[in-house]
Amino acid sequence: QSALTQPASVSGSPGQSITISCTGTSSDVGGYNYVSWYQHQPGKAPKLMIYDVSNRPSGVSNRFSGSKSGNTASLTISGLQAEDEADYYCSSYASNNNYVFGTGTKVTVL
Amino acid sequence: QVQLVESGGGVVQPGRSLRLSCPASGFTFSGYAMHWVRQAPGKGLEWVAIISYDGVNTFYADSVKGRFTISRDNSKNTLYLQMDSLRPDDSAVYYCARRSGLVYSRLPGAFDIWGQGTVVTVSS
Repeated sequence: QSALTQPASVSGSPGQSITISCTGTSSDVGGYNYVSWYQHQPGKAPKLMIYDVSNRPSGVSNRFSGSKSGNTASLTISGLQAEDEADYYCSSYASNNNYVFGTGTKVTVL
Repeated sequence: QVQLVESGGGVVQPGRSLRLSCPASGFTFSGYAMHWVRQAPGKGLEWVAIISYDGVNTFYADSVKGRFTISRDNSKNTLYLQMDSLRPDDSAVYYCARRSGLVYSRLPGAFDIWGQGTVVTVSS
């Protein structure tokens, strides 16, 4: 199972909106509505930000939103804040009871 | 307080074995599928394995199939990862994580609770 494709880096100024893409295939992202997104800051455990494509867990800011079209999922961060600086990973359930993560995107707040 | 705490990492020679443990607290451990996920130095997250809430079903990434075994002891609220025939490219931080969603579900889900990770280094 190949990793899902994400841009290596995305940056934005405070207050701006950014979008991170996550491209897979019909065997993972395109085939199931089990796409999730994680924020990973150095030295910390990854944190679930979005599950089942577009659902936010309790406690996650509504500045984070998710969507999917075909084989590509997206995470949008609105009103970018300094605290959003981190690595972000998408993940999808895949065929044959596998899971796959994205290549990861480093978000920089300028 | 919902918590997962990995242990058992360390430095091991290629070809040797290591067993990781992940005791859980603060939730009904026996009701949730559990995963192991790893991150090699400078690399992204990689899913390793999943075990169903009752231990009946296990699935593995191709990269570890036949070498790693995921198991659980619901009486001890603990998840395990037995790693045999270790290779240098198995060096990583290993995280245990809970599958999100309804209790006693066999449906896929996200990884909603994570431990802090334990470091495994495979080197001669």
